[in-house]
Amino acid sequence: SQQGEEDPQALSIQEGENATMNCSYKTSINNLQWYRQNSGRGLVHLILIRSNEREKHSGRLRVTLDTSKKSSSLLITASRAADTASYFCVLKAAGNKLTFGGGTRVLVKP
Amino acid sequence: GAGVSQSPSNKVTEKGKDVELRCDPISGHTALYWYRQSLGQGLEFLIYFQGNSAPDKSGLPSDRFSAERTGGSVSTLTIQRTQQEDSAVYLCASSLDPSTDTQYFGPGTRLTVL
Repeated sequence: SQQGEEDPQALSIQEGENATMNCSYKTSINNLQWYRQNSGRGLVHLILIRSNEREKHSGRLRVTLDTSKKSSSLLITASRAADTASYFCVLKAAGNKLTFGGGTRVLVKP
Repeated sequence: GAGVSQSPSNKVTEKGKDVELRCDPISGHTALYWYRQSLGQGLEFLIYFQGNSAPDKSGLPSDRFSAERTGGSVSTLTIQRTQQEDSAVYLCASSLDPSTDTQYFGPGTRLTVL
């Protein structure tokens, strides 16, 4: 089954900087979601973008989707120490099963 | 309101023993999912329940793994004759219905097989 491949695997930035991570996949999808996981709050849904959408915003998060390139990016602007977490892209193809990528570990240094 | 709860939070067992992991989904959520996450890895889908439909068991790694969902609510994941490679965090998630896609995750059960 297909799985999103995330890039980079790890990212270290200073507080206030922007963080960008990418997700590539191989087959058609219905939608793509991003989740965040940290030790304090577990796994939390961030944002969903459908296959007919190109860009969505939610607070300091911006997600883009390019279905022709089969890729998505997640941008976190003005990062905070609390943004330190692993970020997963999650694919939904046909059916109801969601497939998680391997994740990008983000460290925001104060 | 109450979120997804899982019990126990930690389980240490000996190789060869059976274990049961429990998930209480959010009330009213018709869809329930089990995943496994090994250290530093992404989530591996195990099984999916939707209402009274037959579950999607396509992610179960072996016949030692089984799951039930009673009364459309609580679910139990059972691992028989545990092996060391079964050590992982087992996560449960629920969603209101499959069309909403957003899944709400429990805190997980950390299973250690010695």
